[in-house]
Amino acid sequence: AQSVSQHNHHVILSEAASLELGCNYSYGGTVNLFWYVQYPGQHLQLLLKYFSGDPLVKGIKGFEAEFIKSKFSFNLRKPSVQWSDTAEYFCAVNDRSAGNMLTFGGGTRLMVKP
Amino acid sequence: EPEVTQTPSHQVTQMGQEVILRCVPISNHLYFYWYRQILGQKVEFLVSFYNNEISEKSEIFDDQFSVERPDGSNFTLKIRSTKLEDSAMYFCASSEETTPSDTQYFGPGTRLTVL
Repeated sequence: AQSVSQHNHHVILSEAASLELGCNYSYGGTVNLFWYVQYPGQHLQLLLKYFSGDPLVKGIKGFEAEFIKSKFSFNLRKPSVQWSDTAEYFCAVNDRSAGNMLTFGGGTRLMVKP
Repeated sequence: EPEVTQTPSHQVTQMGQEVILRCVPISNHLYFYWYRQILGQKVEFLVSFYNNEISEKSEIFDDQFSVERPDGSNFTLKIRSTKLEDSAMYFCASSEETTPSDTQYFGPGTRLTVL
């Protein structure tokens, strides 16, 4: 079955530290890739997405992600986190041959200490 | 900025009862979705809806579930006879276009508790 894995379930960082959250997927075909964020008490919001072109994608709030097709990965990065980045981060993948449904990873809870 | 809204935020029901979860998608969006997240598990796709019919559904979306767009603004998920294992957070989403790359905008969710 198709799956998405986020290996880091909980991450704790200090402010100004660099962040990298891993995301791997199991599809062999063409995919669209997304990172969503859920701040405490809020709904899922799109951070960034990739569907074609430059594999390095820049999103909101200084986040970026790199699609590496050979590694089936789409890792999220931020060079310097802030306390306000405390949230849960979800990687999601759409298999273009299977319609519009998103398959989500298990999420990574990020806590940034001030 | 337009948002997807969902009501109620929390629904408590007895096993075997019917529940209807309501969503108001973003007004010019054409594609609607329901996902759910059981506590401690992944967000899972349930169903997508376009042009007044189901486009895709997962194995979870069995005969106990149905969706409807009763008017021009609401999109509902009905569970006919709730089971304990239906307890979850249910998220509605909508997208403007029908292409898979289009962004899905999520609502805040309805927490369903089945006793």
